[in-house]
Amino acid sequence: AQTVTQSQPEMSVQEAETVTLSCTYDTSESDYYLFWYKQPPSRQMILVIRQEAYKQQNATENRFSVNFQKAAKSFSLKISDSQLGDAAMYFCAYSSPYTGNQFYFGTGTSLTVIP
Amino acid sequence: DVKVTQSSRYLVKRTGEKVFLECVQDMDHENMFWYRQDPGLGLRLIYFSYDVKMKEKGDIPEGYSVSREKKERFSLILESASTNQTSMYLCASSLLGTAYNEQFFGPGTRLTVL
Repeated sequence: AQTVTQSQPEMSVQEAETVTLSCTYDTSESDYYLFWYKQPPSRQMILVIRQEAYKQQNATENRFSVNFQKAAKSFSLKISDSQLGDAAMYFCAYSSPYTGNQFYFGTGTSLTVIP
Repeated sequence: DVKVTQSSRYLVKRTGEKVFLECVQDMDHENMFWYRQDPGLGLRLIYFSYDVKMKEKGDIPEGYSVSREKKERFSLILESASTNQTSMYLCASSLLGTAYNEQFFGPGTRLTVL
């Protein structure tokens, strides 16, 4: 099984500031995909952003961007101009053609946004 | 709008009871998944299905079974519930195809086994 590691169980950020959530993964495959999911309190998990490993350019979605370092097997999520609605549990996930349709998730980072 | 629904948000059962958790998706997705979410452990895959009547074991299938009689519905069954199965259960679905396909999640069922 693939390993996805999120070393920060909890993070906090001041409203309007920037925060970076860390994720590392272990794989010997060259073709794979990485995802960040957000799970707000008592609400459904939704996709925030995804990255294809063969693309060198980092993915961005509005205030969310990633820093994908393939050699270091690192995939961090940067949230700019943090808003109260960004408070949630964030999960990093990995999938590849070799794992079929299975996703491997990290243990999550709980983000608190301080007004 | 994409939608995955789960039959209950909260469920309380007794040890030894047979428990059914139901998941329905309206997106005509081939793949459906059942995860268990526990603090500090993230999401762990119990079972998944890529077609009607097909099922594959995930990482923690022990104590669980599944049923997929219709494309839109995927059921998780706890044959004899135990206290260590107290957890949040999440259902998800996705299109068959590349591993790039997003998984869409239901709201979750918080199961307590007493």
